[in-house]
Amino acid sequence: QVQLQESGPGLVKPSETLSLTCTVSGGSISSHYWSWIRQPPGKGLEWIAYISYSGTTNYNPSLKSRVTISMDTSKNQFSLKLRSVTAADTAVYYCARDQGSIAYWGQGTLVTVSS
Amino acid sequence: DIVMTQSPDSLAVSLGERATINCKSSQSVLQTSNNKNYVAWYQQKAGQPPNLLIYWTSTRESGVPDRFSGSGSGTDFTLTISSLQAEDVAVYYCQQYYSIPWTFGQGTKVEIK
Repeated sequence: QVQLQESGPGLVKPSETLSLTCTVSGGSISSHYWSWIRQPPGKGLEWIAYISYSGTTNYNPSLKSRVTISMDTSKNQFSLKLRSVTAADTAVYYCARDQGSIAYWGQGTLVTVSS
Repeated sequence: DIVMTQSPDSLAVSLGERATINCKSSQSVLQTSNNKNYVAWYQQKAGQPPNLLIYWTSTRESGVPDRFSGSGSGTDFTLTISSLQAEDVAVYYCQQYYSIPWTFGQGTKVEIK
């Protein structure tokens, strides 16, 4: 059974870079596609980006200029960097295994942007 | 981007009664080459990640009770809970995965009347 776990700072200052890592267990990230999705408190879901097993990436155009997704196959991890954050980036960030539909999600990590 | 619009925003249904949630996409999500509609449905309970219920519009994910069903084609889709149970209280989201960026509906909150 695939399991995903997000890790990273829960508090980021405005204008700084949000960095999160997802550790995958029970399966290799060298297969499938892997995504980041976020959910502001009390609001809906927003897909951010995916990275494929071969390293191909795709981004939400609304965030593309600020986002980088990458992977480290040796650690079975993939990561998210979101630059120049503002309060609007405060959200629960989920990592997920992406098949278009998403059957496997991490538990999510709340990242608050505040000084 | 394809906009997914759900209706209603919330609904209250008596235990054992039917709950119906609609989702309309701003453009067709039907791939004619394989005749598949690229729509999924999720259930999200408070404090939990979303849980996949339905994919390819009408295919139930393993372990999902058969009281959940999906239907539709093109731009109009429906999630039906045939007999609402107490554990079905949640927010439900539709999603299209026809084109990047994947997009979700705004959510429908289902409560017990």
